[in-house]
Amino acid sequence: QQPVQSPQAVILREGEDAVINCSSSKALYSVHWYRQKHGEAPVFLMILLKGGEQKGHEKISASFNEKKQQSSLYLTASQLSYSGTYFCGAQDNYGQNFVFGPGTRLSVLP
Amino acid sequence: DGGITQSPKYLFRKEGQNVTLSCEQNLNHDAMYWYRQDPGQGLRLIYYSQIVNDFQKGDIAEGYSVSREKKESFPLTVTSAQKNPTAFYLCASSMGYGNTIYFGEGSWLTVV
Repeated sequence: QQPVQSPQAVILREGEDAVINCSSSKALYSVHWYRQKHGEAPVFLMILLKGGEQKGHEKISASFNEKKQQSSLYLTASQLSYSGTYFCGAQDNYGQNFVFGPGTRLSVLP
Repeated sequence: DGGITQSPKYLFRKEGQNVTLSCEQNLNHDAMYWYRQDPGQGLRLIYYSQIVNDFQKGDIAEGYSVSREKKESFPLTVTSAQKNPTAFYLCASSMGYGNTIYFGEGSWLTVV
């Protein structure tokens, strides 16, 4: 079953912050985050494992709430280069299902 | 450099023809995947393989076929049975199923 992402789309001004959420109805083992620019392949940002800590990559960080089966991606002081579609990928506890969410389109304006 | 190579980048197909998209990786990854992406849409899994000579259907396998005769290669054939094949096709690999997935640059297929 596909994880749910929210919001579907968000528009920011440079320097503003954003949060993208990814939730599942199943118990999760891991959540992956990827960013895709138009016409290009998705690029890996980070992976969060069950029992792991919040991770960060420059001004982009993420958390994983096991009780809620939810992960959140935090983009602070957004830059123009952050524009793209963000996908979460969720793997369930049984390790046999890895499914991408529908994506969140992020647009950062000057 | 290690990576995933897809070819061709652009391909035009006439209705009724089969086409094969190539995917080669030199990352020594066990798992390989094929995803389809329609404009403005998400990633839908076509097939995946966790080991040589074995593969499983994904969510939209109908009209597609794959083989995994070598660890580094996972070609996808789009058959004439696939009614709406025009899309962006992404090949990917990971060390194991569920590990970090790395994508190739993608292949654009257009039916004319």
